[in-house]
Amino acid sequence: AQSVTQLDSQVPVFEEAPVELRCNYSSSVSVYLFWYVQYPNQGLQLLLKYLSGSTLVKGINGFEAEFNKSQTSFHLRKPSVHISDTAEYFCAVNLFPHDSNYQLIWGAGTKLIIKP
Amino acid sequence: EAQVTQNPRYLITVTGKKLTVTCSQNMNHEYMSWYRQDPGLGLRQIYYSMNVEVTDKGDVPEGYKVSRKEKRNFPLILESPSPNQTSLYFCASSEPESGGTDTQYFGPGTRLTVL
Repeated sequence: AQSVTQLDSQVPVFEEAPVELRCNYSSSVSVYLFWYVQYPNQGLQLLLKYLSGSTLVKGINGFEAEFNKSQTSFHLRKPSVHISDTAEYFCAVNLFPHDSNYQLIWGAGTKLIIKP
Repeated sequence: EAQVTQNPRYLITVTGKKLTVTCSQNMNHEYMSWYRQDPGLGLRQIYYSMNVEVTDKGDVPEGYKVSRKEKRNFPLILESPSPNQTSLYFCASSEPESGGTDTQYFGPGTRLTVL
């Protein structure tokens, strides 16, 4: 069965330091990859997505992610974080058109904790 | 403003007392779904709907019902809530015209506690 693994449940980092949030997936077919962000007491919103083409994808708020097919990874990075980046980040995979449900398979989430 | 709304935002209830959580979107999206979010488990899909009168089970449908009588509304019904349904619930919608590449739009969440 396909799965998404976010290797860290929490990542503490000092303000203005770089951060990487890791995401690995298991799938033998091509996939679409997403990162969503959930700010405190809010719903999720799309940060960025990889569909095809360049493996480096840029998103909102200075985040970017790199798709690595050989390592089946889609790690999220930001060169300098701010207090406002405090949130939970979710990696998700969509197997369509192999799965007609359009269902996203979600990772367990990584809480980014910014230390002043 | 394009949005997904859910009501109520917070609900405390007792075991066995039927409840409905409403979800409405104003983007004319065909696809809607319900998720529950539990610590360490991420989001798990409860039910989804591809269009009006078309619904199907997700990964954790037991104890839940849904209906899709209108395109904009997708209520979640708990006929006899139990404490293991205490969770944070999200409704989401999207327009699947691009075959899996679509962005899902989420409501603000409903925090349900069943005593």
